[in-house]
Amino acid sequence: DTEVTQTPKHLVMGMTNKKSLKCEQHMGHRAMYWYKQKAKKPPELMFVYSYEKLSINESVPSRFSPECPNSSLLNLHLHALQPEDSALYLCASSQARNPEAFFGQGTRLTVV
Amino acid sequence: GESVGLHLPTLSVQEGDNSIINCAYSNSASDYFIWYKQESGKGPQFIIDIRSNMDKRQGQRVTVLLNKTVKHLSLQIAATQPGDSAVYFCAEGGYKTDSWGKFQFGAGTQVVVTP
Repeated sequence: DTEVTQTPKHLVMGMTNKKSLKCEQHMGHRAMYWYKQKAKKPPELMFVYSYEKLSINESVPSRFSPECPNSSLLNLHLHALQPEDSALYLCASSQARNPEAFFGQGTRLTVV
Repeated sequence: GESVGLHLPTLSVQEGDNSIINCAYSNSASDYFIWYKQESGKGPQFIIDIRSNMDKRQGQRVTVLLNKTVKHLSLQIAATQPGDSAVYFCAEGGYKTDSWGKFQFGAGTQVVVTP
């Protein structure tokens, strides 16, 4: 199984809503990542987890809250988002200290 | 600040020809340089990586070249096929204590394969 599964695939939320994005992998990877990608732009790193501990936070606003409850799961909790937060949110995983990352298909988020 | 970028936003290649995609980087402290392919509606797919202590690495139909003197990375695709049409990103990063797992992507090149 070399798959990273992200749910939901599409999400529309209001600026006062609270929602969560989920990411799951069963490859035994101990590094997991959240990226944000706008149309026709490269993915931008948001967070990195290493062995379930947050190792990188790229100065992401607090309305995005990551969580890694176990080695297979990664969540991104969303609260009070702005329309400019609309984007494709990508989750990835890799073996620790291995740059070969596996990406999910992403969650297409629209904030209205 | 440090950045990774690409010289060409779009590359049109005839089927069967070789493709060369270029990338300039500025962070000489990166341990790894990576190429990803992203097809429409999908997440990026790893193609190949090269460590900073190497200058060439070959995979299946692909070769990555690293020139640390001029901070330049390239991806060569042999005998380009229609399925190679996608956006190609270079990325750089590593596992130093204060930047563990910090991989940042360049701007991307759209490769269009024509019959």
